[in-house]
Amino acid sequence: QVTLKESGPVLVKPTETLTLTCTVSGFSLSNARMGVSWIRQPPGKALEWLAHIFSNDEKSYTTSLKSRLTISKDTSKSQVVLTMINMDPVDTATYYCARNYLVAMDVWGQGTTVTVSS
Amino acid sequence: DVQMTQSPSSLSASVGDRVTITCQASQGISNSLNWYQQKPGEAPNLLIYGASNLKTGVPSRFRGSGSGTDFTFTISSLQPEDIATYYCQQFDDLPLTFGGGTKVEIK
Repeated sequence: QVTLKESGPVLVKPTETLTLTCTVSGFSLSNARMGVSWIRQPPGKALEWLAHIFSNDEKSYTTSLKSRLTISKDTSKSQVVLTMINMDPVDTATYYCARNYLVAMDVWGQGTTVTVSS
Repeated sequence: DVQMTQSPSSLSASVGDRVTITCQASQGISNSLNWYQQKPGEAPNLLIYGASNLKTGVPSRFRGSGSGTDFTFTISSLQPEDIATYYCQQFDDLPLTFGGGTKVEIK
């Protein structure tokens, strides 16, 4: 069974760095047909794709947040980590990780809610 | 970046009605489009990939069509369990991008 689970802080202060971890099971991060994406959703708003890491460690980021995001993976731990620097209250959202199988995000984590407030 | 525009942003229909949602890409994306369903309080769920391919286990009342810049998502007979927000997403080019979503409610 394929599962993904996000973990990280519930509350961060403005200007701090957010670090989120996606722990996967049921597939390998070294599988050539698979990668992992991070997506976020502010309260009551639409989904926003943030970043993706491929099996070959190639990375891609959304244009508007590229300077603030870093995605990495530890295949041995089955984990994908997303860091976002200089957090702001507008970054308050539910953050999801999802498996990319070939062309689609076919399995999603339950999401983790992050609030940015002093 | 490829911009995805969905319409309408919300709709209300009766059980049994046919529901249609459109998604337009800012440039041609071939058939590189997926559709997701997000029920309230839940994570999104893939329904259709490659514009028209139903994910295994998804009811056949859901259908996707289109190519190039214009795509359509249809529920042939709306059911109470279909209450959700639906999103299109293109994978023709990086960065990946989602549409703004269509909230479907029961009248």
